[in-house]
Amino acid sequence: AQSVAQPEDQVNVAEGNPLTVKCTYSVSGNPYLFWYVQYPNRGLQFLLKYITGDNLVKGSYGFEAEFNKSQTSFHLKKPSALVSDSALYFCAVSSRSNDYKLSFGAGTTVTVRA
Amino acid sequence: KAGVTQTPRYLIKTRGQQVTLSCSPISGHRSVSWYQQTPGQGLQFLFEYFSETQRNKGNFPGRFSGRQFSNSRSEMNVSTLELGDSALYLCASSSDANDRVTGYTFGSGTRLTVV
Repeated sequence: AQSVAQPEDQVNVAEGNPLTVKCTYSVSGNPYLFWYVQYPNRGLQFLLKYITGDNLVKGSYGFEAEFNKSQTSFHLKKPSALVSDSALYFCAVSSRSNDYKLSFGAGTTVTVRA
Repeated sequence: KAGVTQTPRYLIKTRGQQVTLSCSPISGHRSVSWYQQTPGQGLQFLFEYFSETQRNKGNFPGRFSGRQFSNSRSEMNVSTLELGDSALYLCASSSDANDRVTGYTFGSGTRLTVV
């Protein structure tokens, strides 16, 4: 079985400050890791992914994430948050052992205050 | 290129009725997956279709079914609707079996409300 944990329901930061959204995972075999963002009444928008290679992954809108195999983590980061980054963020994992089905975390609501 | 298109965007149905949701994947994509999103259960996998065949199925009752057509468009059907079926239903597409590793593109979803 595979699973994802997002330990924080909410993250609040001031605009211009660094933003971190935490994610840990559990999977058999090699993980494929994803971050998606969701705005109200919209679908999921892809931010970035880790498949293999460099542990630091850069994605859309200035976001990046670091794959840490020993800690089974894939935290999302942005050096300088914008008010427009306020949204719901989902971490997801898939694996060959689970036939590439995506398992999602519960989501973290990010609020960036001006 | 056009993204994943889901219709309708919003739907209100009465308990006991049935409903059909539609998903048109990105042109050339042959894999379509469906997910249910609710505040209590989060995002849960329903099923995946590839080349008109159901490849994977999640832990949902038989009232939830789907199919895929030769043009890769997919429909999802829920029979005998219950209040708990109220959710945002998301469709995601991927190009082929190998490309599933690289992820999926999601549609904007269909918001189903059961009254």
